[in-house]
Amino acid sequence: KNEVEQSPQNLTAQEGEFITINCSYSVGISALHWLQQHPGGGIVSLFMLSSGKKKHGRLIATINIQEKHSSLHITASHPRDSAVYICAVRNYGQNFVFGPGTRLSVLP
Amino acid sequence: NAGVTQTPKFQVLKTGQSMTLQCAQDMNHNSMYWYRQDPGMGLRLIYYSASEGTTDKGEVPNGYNVSRLNKREFSLRLESAAPSQTSVYFCASERIPGETQYFGPGTRLLVL
Repeated sequence: KNEVEQSPQNLTAQEGEFITINCSYSVGISALHWLQQHPGGGIVSLFMLSSGKKKHGRLIATINIQEKHSSLHITASHPRDSAVYICAVRNYGQNFVFGPGTRLSVLP
Repeated sequence: NAGVTQTPKFQVLKTGQSMTLQCAQDMNHNSMYWYRQDPGMGLRLIYYSASEGTTDKGEVPNGYNVSRLNKREFSLRLESAAPSQTSVYFCASERIPGETQYFGPGTRLLVL
């Protein structure tokens, strides 16, 4: 069993739809990160969470520490949101453990 | 600021050849990392350097060596490349461990 799992693996949505990507983990963590990998390969950090909820524009990330679960929501999705979204947890040794990613395609 | 830069962008090697992947950051970050990304497996840590002068093994260090040349530069060396090392390699840096990491654009390596 992988330490970090994501669902779904692949997701296709129509422009404007509300999108949810889920992440569950089985290890103790100091923080959870959501990353975005663009079609060209570049990786950027979207959020770092240790509790509660964060919002940045149309993106919302939540974490439930007791349930070891996090969600990334995208409101009013747009084709430019098409990317691979990666959940990564920081263990107490401060190294990352990455999920396999969720590939999102938003169609116009 | 260029952020994190990596060279080369793409490389083809024959089995047994050696090469060094270069990484540099201009953000005065203390910690630097090398990852590999393989289809369906997610990113995996090869080596990291928590601060200048220190390096440590990550999850998949076999077949690799690293050098933290100075605070800016962290190189990854393949002494004798194998087809199993075909992958995309990412360098990343952060101010201190536990903060947000900034990733380079990646190096795509093909070992024949």
